[in-house]
Amino acid sequence: DAGVIQSPRHEVTEMGQEVTLRCKPISGHNSLFWYRQTMMRGLELLIYFNNNVPIDDSGMPEDRFSAKMPNASFSTLKIQPSEPRDSAVYFCASSPRDRGGYTFGSGTRLTVV
Amino acid sequence: RKEVEQDPGPFNVPEGATVAFNCTYSNSASQSFFWYRQDCRKEPKLLMSVYSSGNEDGRFTAQLNRASQYISLLIRDSKLSDSATYLCVVNQAGGFKTIFGAGTRLFVKA
Repeated sequence: DAGVIQSPRHEVTEMGQEVTLRCKPISGHNSLFWYRQTMMRGLELLIYFNNNVPIDDSGMPEDRFSAKMPNASFSTLKIQPSEPRDSAVYFCASSPRDRGGYTFGSGTRLTVV
Repeated sequence: RKEVEQDPGPFNVPEGATVAFNCTYSNSASQSFFWYRQDCRKEPKLLMSVYSSGNEDGRFTAQLNRASQYISLLIRDSKLSDSATYLCVVNQAGGFKTIFGAGTRLFVKA
């Protein structure tokens, strides 16, 4: 199994631009999670999906953030417009249904200048 | 009060030492517990689950105390390769509401 695959690995963009992060979960995992990690705030859950349906998006910081999961093998996290304070590492993780052990992707390191 | 609290460290220990980390959680309805390890500039990786009866995996032992709402991780015979940040993780009902602690940094020195 290739694990959770995220792209891009690194993204540098200018303030105001749209950024789209992508994630392919492990096949058969029914739950998908987007996390953001910074030195100041640690790992923060942004949103999670179960069976492609968003269950809890209370962690999404603002309306500038949106996430979709059109099918079981793909999810996106979009930031529009991006701001320098969005700079962080964004992780996607997946989990089998009813289990808490997550597998994380390698993350996308986002820098907004 | 944070939902999951850990001593941030860092813990600086020599090779071969035994080191223990504690983590407390605030929600008594929490149902499952884990320790993750995160190396510098890498993703968190599951180290081990934590069961009420306690569990051991080689040099690592995890314990859960539901009455006092804390979990612990014991590392025996520390290796240089154990240097990392250790994250305490607590799941709420259903396994979907997961809270990560801020992590405890460990440095093992020769």
